[in-house]
Amino acid sequence: DAMVIQNPRYQVTQFGKPVTLSCSQTLNHNVMYWYQQKSSQAPKLLFHYYDKDFNNEADTPDNFQSRRPNTSFCFLDIRSPGLGDAAMYLCATSNPGLAGYNEQFFGPGTRLTVL
Amino acid sequence: AQKITQTQPGMFVQEKEAVTLDCTYDTSDPSYGLFWYKQPSSGEMIFLIYQGSYDQQNATEGRYSLNFQKARKSANLVISASQLGDSAMYFCAMREGGYNKLIFGAGTRLAVHP
Repeated sequence: DAMVIQNPRYQVTQFGKPVTLSCSQTLNHNVMYWYQQKSSQAPKLLFHYYDKDFNNEADTPDNFQSRRPNTSFCFLDIRSPGLGDAAMYLCATSNPGLAGYNEQFFGPGTRLTVL
Repeated sequence: AQKITQTQPGMFVQEKEAVTLDCTYDTSDPSYGLFWYKQPSSGEMIFLIYQGSYDQQNATEGRYSLNFQKARKSANLVISASQLGDSAMYFCAMREGGYNKLIFGAGTRLAVHP
């Protein structure tokens, strides 16, 4: 089945130690998004890629970076994780050019713990 | 600026009963889309239903229906015949600008009791 895959599902890192979260998709969608969702809060968009064009949200900290080497993969890099970065990180895709709802398809998320 | 408001932090319903989850929105854009997503405790966001601003009829998808009142800027989700598996967080979201970006409401946690 076509889907959005996130690895790992659970990630534990130490304060200040760089960490990379991975997302891949088999939907061939041209837009990929990264969201941060803290406990009991709504998802907050960090950035998105339209093909290779990177679009950062104005309030996304510099500590968060992203790479999209090809259509299928997108990575979230947290350069120096702080305790406040502990959250669920959700990857999503969509294809605005298609007819229909153009809903976003979400992966299962990576739950990040910072010790 | 676009905004989504969900005023019910938590709701509970008896199994097999219907429940309505409230969502109001604010936008000056005449063309917009409204989505409802379900988030179980496992974390993934599951798309439930969509309503476009120009759609003449309220959207329905199985047990889910959307009570769309454009003049009131409300898009309430109605779940009929609640099941225990419906217990989850429910988010209302609005498409913002290009690239299908979504802004989410704060969510409503639904508990279905046997």
